Order: sequence, then C-alpha cells, then structure tokens
Amino acid sequence: GQNIDQPTEMTATEGAIVQINCTYQTSGFNGLFWYQQHAGEAPTFLSYNVLDGLEEKGRFSSFLSRSKGYSYLLLKELQMKDSASYLCAVMDSNYQLIWGAGTKLIIKP
Amino acid sequence: GAVVSQHPSRVICKSGTSVKIECRSLDFQATTMFWYRQFPKQSLMLMATSNEGSKATYEQGVEKDKFLINHASLTLSTLTVTSAHPEDSSFYICSAKGGGASTQETQYFGPGTRLLVL
Repeated sequence: GQNIDQPTEMTATEGAIVQINCTYQTSGFNGLFWYQQHAGEAPTFLSYNVLDGLEEKGRFSSFLSRSKGYSYLLLKELQMKDSASYLCAVMDSNYQLIWGAGTKLIIKP
Repeated sequence: GAVVSQHPSRVICKSGTSVKIECRSLDFQATTMFWYRQFPKQSLMLMATSNEGSKATYEQGVEKDKFLINHASLTLSTLTVTSAHPEDSSFYICSAKGGGASTQETQYFGPGTRLLVL
C-alpha cells in the first residue's frame, strides 16, 4: 500500500528552528509537496521537490532524499503566524497526490 | 499567479436540498481540477478528479450520483451536493493544476466552502 508518515504534532518556540519530517512509501514518485494549512482555511503551496537535495525559499527550506523515501520541511526564525498544520504529499506514478495526515505545529512565545 | 476562487465560502441549507459550489481558476487554465472534503481535525480526502470536457473520476466510496461534478471549461468546475443531509456537513475544497508557476503538477487550492446542513 501507499502511505505517508509525519508526526501528528510538534511544539516549538518563537524565533527558533523546527524540522518536520515526512517518510513515504508510494508506487512511483513524481515529486513531493509541502503545504501549509491554517485552521479553518484551505492549504497553501509551500514547496515542491523532485530531485534530491535542499530547496531554500526564505525562512522555509525543504529537503528530499528519494533513496531513503524521506523529506523534511525546515522552518527558521519561527513566528507566531507559523502555527498551522503542515501537509506532506507525494505524487505517485499515476500523478495522483497521496496526502499525509499533516503535522500540527504549535509555536509558543 | 495561480489563484483559485471558490463560491460560496459558506452555506447553510436544510436537509434534502441541493447545494452547488463553484471553483474557478482565475489566472490560468486548469485542465484538471480536484474536489476534496475535510472533516474537523482530519486530513484532506480526495473525492474526485475532473478533467475539462470529460466525466469526473470518483474515489472509492464517493457516490457519484450524490456529488455531481461538472467541468465545463478550463476555468470552471462545479460540485453539486444533491439532497444534502447533516452528515454531508464538511469543508469542501477544490484545487486546480496546470498553472504557470514552479511546476505544472502543483495543485493550487481554493479558499474552501464550509457547508452546514441542518
């Protein structure tokens, strides 16, 4: 079967750094996406990785290792507004998105 | 770029009525649109995938006669919840792909429609 694993909840302090991990087992791979979803709102696109390595975009970076079936989202200089759920999704060989359950990130002052 | 709108944002209706939700890609042509449902504190659940001009592909367990999807143009898809019941109350979100952003495969989400059936 196909599955995406990510922690259910994480807590971090304002100004700090947090890494949200995602491991996956899918039938084929056509890229991995990270989305941010604030409570009561729709997801917004953060990043897309299809090649191994680190993609940096401002305070957010996303890493991919295809051989390990592993990705992480790194958030630096955390702000209170970063409190949200972070969804990992993998596109399989049929170009279907397989969604993780999301990681709820709680930022404390 | 890659903006998706949804209307209405919120709807309350009586049990047994039908509700239509519109999803539009505002600044790009979306050959494929997706409809998701999300219950509180749960992950996104894909309901169906629709390609412009063809019938939607429904996920297992989703009743196609209850959730009617029409994708008549490259910028508009509609979801009609027919004979809605309280258990259909949920957050319905559409997404579209094919925009001119970092990747053609990225899905961009509409703001969602919160449906409450009394």
